[in-house]
Amino acid sequence: AQTVTQSQPEMSVQEAETVTLSCTYDTSESDYYLFWYKQPPSRQMILVIRQEAYKQQNATENRFSVNFQKAAKSFSLKISDSQLGDAAMYFCAYRSPGAGSYQLTFGKGTKLSVIP
Amino acid sequence: EAGVAQSPRYKIIEKRQSVAFWCNPISGHATLYWYQQILGQGPKLLIQFQNNGVVDDSQLPKDRFSAERLKGVDSTLKIQPAKLEDSAVYLCASSLGGRPTDTQYFGPGTRLTVL
Repeated sequence: AQTVTQSQPEMSVQEAETVTLSCTYDTSESDYYLFWYKQPPSRQMILVIRQEAYKQQNATENRFSVNFQKAAKSFSLKISDSQLGDAAMYFCAYRSPGAGSYQLTFGKGTKLSVIP
Repeated sequence: EAGVAQSPRYKIIEKRQSVAFWCNPISGHATLYWYQQILGQGPKLLIQFQNNGVVDDSQLPKDRFSAERLKGVDSTLKIQPAKLEDSAVYLCASSLGGRPTDTQYFGPGTRLTVL
């Protein structure tokens, strides 16, 4: 079974600065998908960024980028130019390839605070 | 585009009572998921539907939890009887299909407190 570990329960960052959230995972599969989800205090979870394991290039979405190191099974999220609206719980998630039921396995999350 | 709707947003019950949650996915989304999120943890999948069929219910406590999606659109998750450890946020999500590249869109959740 796959496991996802987020070792930082809480993080804080000054507004406009950069912060990196860590995620490691354990799997015996060679192909899979990794995700970062954001869950603001209102509880509606939204997808931030997705990475396919077969792609060597790190995914980027505006101010959000990942550092995907397949050999190390590491998948960190970098948030640049942090904004007050970035304050939320961030969850790293893993999904096996293929259709059907290959459920998302989530980590325990990292609570990010943004200091004005 | 309307998002995933859930009701109620909050529910407080006593142990051994029953409770039901409702979810209406994004229009056209064939796949619907129910997750349980216990405080301090990430969401855990309870059940996944593809249209009105169950794809995965391996983590659903079937002695007390049940779910249905009769017409392949909205869905109901029921707990009977509830236990203290069922206190959690129940999240519904939907996606266009069941592929890993199909983004899951989450609803606001129902926070259940069992006393």
